[in-house]
Amino acid sequence: EVQLVESGGGLVQPGGSLRLSCAASGFTVSSNYMSWVRQAPGKGLEWVSVIYSAGSTYYADSVKGRFTISRDNSKNTLYLQMNSLRTEDTAVYYCAREREEMGLAFDIWGQGTMVTVSS
Amino acid sequence: DIVMTQSPDSLAVSLGERATIKCKSSQSILYSSNNKNYLAWYQQKPGQPPKLLIYWASTRESGVPDRFSGSGSGTDFTLTIGSLQAEDVAVYYCHQYYNTPRTFGQGTKLEVK
Repeated sequence: EVQLVESGGGLVQPGGSLRLSCAASGFTVSSNYMSWVRQAPGKGLEWVSVIYSAGSTYYADSVKGRFTISRDNSKNTLYLQMNSLRTEDTAVYYCAREREEMGLAFDIWGQGTMVTVSS
Repeated sequence: DIVMTQSPDSLAVSLGERATIKCKSSQSILYSSNNKNYLAWYQQKPGQPPKLLIYWASTRESGVPDRFSGSGSGTDFTLTIGSLQAEDVAVYYCHQYYNTPRTFGQGTKLEVK
């Protein structure tokens, strides 16, 4: 079964760090474009970052310089390292596969992991 | 950045009636080399992740009921639910993947009247 499972969320103080993981099954992370998308409580979807199959990475301006997307091919897992966290980073974080045959629409999503930044 | 604007923000439709949601992009998301619009529609129910309904603006994802249809090109797009069912109550988002940053519309909350 093709699926994504996120983990690593939790409560962290402003200025702190957290690393999110997204374990994939049924397909190969490194062969796909993979994104992180977040959703603040009661709000809409905000794209955060993408890693291309070739390894290039891109970020939303709101997280550039603070977040780092990466992957571990041996573990078939995607990561999001989040540093210098702010209260406005509080959200459910989803990982998603961008399906190349669909032009990179997000066809598979994880269930999400909640990140709360608060003192 | 490409701004995606949906209308309306919320919508109440009677069961069995048609629901129409619009999405406008701040620039064309039609890729001339393949004549495809890089637009998707997602459905999100409370406590669940988004679910892909439509890609290429009008292609239904496998398993999506045929009462869902997408149309439009360039900058103006429409998601239509032909005959509203109770299980269609959700928030719907349009999404452009023409370039980076990928951007989403603000969402349209669909309820039963």
